[in-house]
Amino acid sequence: QVQLQQSGPGLVKPSQTLSLTCVISGDSISSNSATWNWIRQSPSRGLEWLGRTYYRSKWYYDYAASVRSRITVNPDTSKNQFSLQLYSVTPDDTAVYYCARVEGPTTFDSWGQGTLVTVSS
Amino acid sequence: QSVLTQPPSVSAAPGQKVTISCSGSSSNIGNNYVSWYQQLPGTAPKVLIYETNKRPPGIPDRFSGSKSGTSATLGITGLQTGDEADYYCGTWDGSLSAEVFGGGTKLTVL
Repeated sequence: QVQLQQSGPGLVKPSQTLSLTCVISGDSISSNSATWNWIRQSPSRGLEWLGRTYYRSKWYYDYAASVRSRITVNPDTSKNQFSLQLYSVTPDDTAVYYCARVEGPTTFDSWGQGTLVTVSS
Repeated sequence: QSVLTQPPSVSAAPGQKVTISCSGSSSNIGNNYVSWYQQLPGTAPKVLIYETNKRPPGIPDRFSGSKSGTSATLGITGLQTGDEADYYCGTWDGSLSAEVFGGGTKLTVL
């Protein structure tokens, strides 16, 4: 059974960087069949996919157009985890952030517990 | 606004059947598998249906999924009060190169 455990601050100041980590148990970040994703949810935006990383003989990264200029998703094979960094945040980035795994075609079958991140001074 | 369109709310009595629609386009639903998720208050979404019409282990056969053209449907029979939740459809959009979701449908079991 795959489990995803999120950690990171719940309050970030405007213009600063939002950083979250997702620790994986029960699977490998280097799996050749899974992708590792970040999704956020807010009343104004609903569920919004932000980006992913995955390994297929090398590392790949895909990002949503809405955040592409200010997002990084990074794998950490030594700790079997991956991270999200969202730069230059504004109050509009306030949301619950989830990490999630896709195993097989396009289904998020395992989710982290969610982290409410508030952007406020 | 979301790429996929769902009704904001549906309701039905216990024991009855309800369907939730999800409308998209050829770049998403029309050419990709659809997933359905159930979200109870304060929890992460949970997959109910994957690959358009398959149920993960532990999901009762009261839940079903189907697709026709650029629309997908989630069906729930034998409604129970425990089914009250928000339901979301999701799929890959080839034009956007992104995962996309519907805006969610709140199910009320009267």
